[in-house]
Amino acid sequence: DAGVIQSPRHEVTEMGQEVTLRCKPISGHDYLFWYRQTMMRGLELLIYFNNNVPIDDSGMPEDRFSAKMPNASFSTLKIQPSEPRDSAVYFCASSRSSVNTEAFFGQGTRLTVV
Amino acid sequence: AQSVAQPEDQVNVAEGNPLTVKCTYSVSGNPYLFWYVQYPNRGLQFLLKYITGDNLVKGSYGFEAEFNKSQTSFHLKKPSALVSDSALYFCAVSAPSGNTGKLIFGQGTTLQVKP
Repeated sequence: DAGVIQSPRHEVTEMGQEVTLRCKPISGHDYLFWYRQTMMRGLELLIYFNNNVPIDDSGMPEDRFSAKMPNASFSTLKIQPSEPRDSAVYFCASSRSSVNTEAFFGQGTRLTVV
Repeated sequence: AQSVAQPEDQVNVAEGNPLTVKCTYSVSGNPYLFWYVQYPNRGLQFLLKYITGDNLVKGSYGFEAEFNKSQTSFHLKKPSALVSDSALYFCAVSAPSGNTGKLIFGQGTTLQVKP
């Protein structure tokens, strides 16, 4: 398996524009997680899915953020409209089970909003 | 609510010396504990985990960690550090109660191994 695949690797956009980040989890994994990493706040869990259903979105910072998982092999994280403070590295991760198995991370998407 | 603390932003050690990266946790019930490593411009890579059983857990690249329930700690250790071990290390915890699958990370500790 190629691992968790995220695209794009880098994204530079202007404030106010819509940004869509994409993730393909490892085949057979039931859980999918979206994290955001910044120097100030570290690694934050934004939302996670189990069998394509959102379980906990309490980490989503505000209504400008939304995430979907239309099928077991694809998820998106959308920011509309984007703001400079959204600049961060966004990671997608997947795992086979929930509490006792490790998660596998993608390479991340480095988002810069100017 | 579950939480993880890594009290040191950075740990410096000379190559060949033992290293310890500290982690303490707070959860309801028995914890599941993980260590991950992140190299520059890369995603997090799994190192080792504690689920149950022996308190000393061995993982990748010669790393090990000791679960201490009374001190609610899960410190990462290696007997002899390598320069290539220099990276950002994250401790993480999930809790079986509620079976939510939520994995919470500490703020990370930068390990600097000098030749």
